[in-house]
Amino acid sequence: EVQLVESGGGLVQPGGSLRLSCAASGFTFSSYEMDWVRQAPGKGLEWVSYINSRGSAIYYADSVKGRFTISRDNAKNSLYLQMNSLRAEDTAVYYCARDRSGEVGRFDVWGQGTAVTVSS
Amino acid sequence: DFVMTQSPLSLPVTPGEPASISCRSSQSLLHRNGYNYVDWYLQKSGQSPQLLIYLGSNRASGVPDRFSGSGSGTDFTLEISRVEAEDVGVYYCMQAGQTPFTFGPGTKLEVK
Repeated sequence: EVQLVESGGGLVQPGGSLRLSCAASGFTFSSYEMDWVRQAPGKGLEWVSYINSRGSAIYYADSVKGRFTISRDNAKNSLYLQMNSLRAEDTAVYYCARDRSGEVGRFDVWGQGTAVTVSS
Repeated sequence: DFVMTQSPLSLPVTPGEPASISCRSSQSLLHRNGYNYVDWYLQKSGQSPQLLIYLGSNRASGVPDRFSGSGSGTDFTLEISRVEAEDVGVYYCMQAGQTPFTFGPGTKLEVK
């Protein structure tokens, strides 16, 4: 079964850091691009970051550029999001998603999400 | 950046009746390869989003054929031929061609 499982969310103070992980299974992780998408409470979906299969191409939303870092470890079938200088507006459920380059849809598999709350 | 808008934002529908959601992009989503890079996603309550339609009009694997997508350039439509109770949720269109990928605000479909 193709599956993505996020972890690492929690409560953090403004200015703090958090590292999210996404464990992939059921497919050849190293062959796929991956993304992070977030959803603030009661709000819509917001794309956060993209990484290609080898980690050589990376993009960020302007809202997180310079504060968040996406990375992957293909040997461990894992995707990461290092979040620094967190703000209240970063409070959201963070989803990792498999990226099919748009050819058969952009995000064809999603994880269940991990909740991040930034509050003092 | 591509700005995506949707209408209506709320859509009450009687089961068995059709439903239609409009999505508009601030710029053309028609690529030089002839494909329109717009996806449609459904997020049911308490669940992760799921891919319904890709490249404007192609149903994703396992999506019932009562769902269809159409349009080109800047104007797109998601249609449900006969709404069922399980179709309740929020529908998002998304520009899928280049980063930053951008979603519409969502259309909440409810069954009357």
